[in-house]
Amino acid sequence: GESVGLHLPTLSVQEGDNSIINCAYSNSASDYFIWYKQESGKGPQFIIDIRSNMDKRQGQRVTVLLNKTVKHLSLQIAATQPGDSAVYFCAENMEGNEKLTFGTGTRLTIIP
Amino acid sequence: GAGVSQSPRYKVAKRGQDVALRCDPISGHVSLFWYQQALGQGPEFLTYFQNEAQLDKSGLPSDRFFAERPEGSVSTLKIQRTQQEDSAVYLCASSLLRTGFTDTQYFGPGTRLTVL
Repeated sequence: GESVGLHLPTLSVQEGDNSIINCAYSNSASDYFIWYKQESGKGPQFIIDIRSNMDKRQGQRVTVLLNKTVKHLSLQIAATQPGDSAVYFCAENMEGNEKLTFGTGTRLTIIP
Repeated sequence: GAGVSQSPRYKVAKRGQDVALRCDPISGHVSLFWYQQALGQGPEFLTYFQNEAQLDKSGLPSDRFFAERPEGSVSTLKIQRTQQEDSAVYLCASSLLRTGFTDTQYFGPGTRLTVL
């Protein structure tokens, strides 16, 4: 299948361990943030989102942390599984402007 | 339910040809977006529709790119006189539109365009 991201930052994690993927966003006026997962040959898949009035949000096996002071976003995946292997993108959005601005992406590889 | 669908999934064009890429958004979604994703990079915004109105086309790279959504549902992205630098994956996304609320954008699988 098509390879998404040949020269992306990479992270390799042992199956069952926790992983943390970091993202620095660019616009201090952004107020909505999303993490997407993209597998080879597929479109981005929504994982979790957070609004600027929160600093933490949890989903199933995933947690997003937002630090507005340093414009930093992180995605924590607990008990990683082989199916978590993909490229992960953070995206930001500014209120009143519908478009998303995506970060560079991180390739996560789960080692069996 | 059905997600966003795009066709064709793959398109090979000779330089100078015109191409048309189709997007079927999730039923009931008011907003529709087109993004371009070059190899190794994140998606980049091209244009945005709210129903049939094209509210933002600031990301279209040249006047060879044209998008329409005449009935507020299906959208077509047309690229005229394709160039090699147009080779990329073209992604479509749709979302609900709730007042005072930025809604989640759901993406289709993309169309991979290769210009020879």
